[in-house]
Amino acid sequence: QVQLQQSGPGLMKTSQTLSLTCAISGNTLSSNSATWNWIRQSPSRGLEWLGRTYYRTQRFNEYAVSVKGRITITTDTSNNQFSLYLSSVGPEDTAVYYCARGIYDFFDFWGQGTLVTVSS
Amino acid sequence: EIVLTQSPGTLSLSPGERATLSCRASQSVNSRYLAWYQQKPGQAPRLLIYGASSRATGIPDRFTGYGSGTDFTLTINRLEPEDFAVYFCQQYGSSPWTFGQGTKVEFK
Repeated sequence: QVQLQQSGPGLMKTSQTLSLTCAISGNTLSSNSATWNWIRQSPSRGLEWLGRTYYRTQRFNEYAVSVKGRITITTDTSNNQFSLYLSSVGPEDTAVYYCARGIYDFFDFWGQGTLVTVSS
Repeated sequence: EIVLTQSPGTLSLSPGERATLSCRASQSVNSRYLAWYQQKPGQAPRLLIYGASSRATGIPDRFTGYGSGTDFTLTINRLEPEDFAVYFCQQYGSSPWTFGQGTKVEFK
């Protein structure tokens, strides 16, 4: 059974860099069939896919246009975890952030969610 | 980007009734790459249906998905108390993957 455990701070100030980590158990970052995704949810924007990392003979990262330039997803294969970095946050980035496993690009396992609140 | 519009916004029903939820796409969804999720308060979404009509592991057969092109439907036969929740559709045929805004199934 795949499990995703999220960690990271929930309160931030404007212009800081958001940092969240998702630890994977029951699967590996190097899986040739899975993708590892970050998704957020807010009342104003609904569910919004932010980006993903996956391995297919080499590592690929893809990001949503809405956050491109501010987002970076990194991987730590030794600890089987991946991280989200979102720079220059503002109040509009206040949301519940989820990590999720993608299979054929639908999401079958999700982390528990982290409420990130951005204030000035 | 494909925009998904779900209707109705809220469905007020009683246990034992049937729920019919609609998801309409702004353009055709490739190869029926449409999924449905259930979300309860304070929880992450839970995958119910993928490929428009395939039930995920452990999902009871009272949940049925169908449709193609731009029109998709999720029906829940004989609503159980645990089915009262918010339901989202998601398309994964065209990047960026997008979600509908959700339909809330509430107690009447």
